Amino acid sequence: AQRVTQPEKLLSVFKGAPVELKCNYSYSGSPELFWYVQYSRQRLQLLLRHISRESIKGFTADLNKGETSFHLKKPFAQEEDSAMYYCALRGGSYIPTFGRGTSLIVHP
Amino acid sequence: GAGVSQSPSNKVTEKGKDVELRCDPISGHTALYWYRQSLGQGLEFLIYFQGNSAPDKSGLPSDRFSAERTGGSVSTLTIQRTQQEDSAVYLCASSSGTGLGEQYFGPGTRLTVT
Repeated sequence: AQRVTQPEKLLSVFKGAPVELKCNYSYSGSPELFWYVQYSRQRLQLLLRHISRESIKGFTADLNKGETSFHLKKPFAQEEDSAMYYCALRGGSYIPTFGRGTSLIVHP
Repeated sequence: GAGVSQSPSNKVTEKGKDVELRCDPISGHTALYWYRQSLGQGLEFLIYFQGNSAPDKSGLPSDRFSAERTGGSVSTLTIQRTQQEDSAVYLCASSSGTGLGEQYFGPGTRLTVT
């Protein structure tokens, strides 16, 4: 079975502060990990995936197989980063498992 | 280009009524997913279609839920005898190839059962 845990429902930071959205997973094989983002009144969209090792909008995420984590980080949060963030895992099937999401609020 | 579209955007129905939700995937995308998004529950997988293969219905919560995909394109999710706990946002996503790539989501249908 595969499981994704996002322990924080809400994360509140001030503009310019570092932000880390936590994601822990459970899967016995080699997973594919994603972060999706949903801005207010917009549709859910892919932010980044671990295999591409990109930095998107200043966000990075590193897959840590030892800790089974895929935390999303940004050194300096911006107000426009305020959104709902979902971590997702795809294991052996074509059906991804999503976490419950973390709402990020960046205060001015 | 056109993305995934869903209709209606909002649906209010009375308990016990049947509803149909529609999804138009991106042209050429063979993989199509339905999810349910509830407050605090994240995205709950409902059903997956891939080309002409039999759908994976393992996520459907009850036999009141069904979905079909005609001609490998448009999909309809039907909920019979709606209950208040069915109130949620229903999301559709499509993906190219075998579905291993990025999923492109529609705007969702917000269903409210009164």
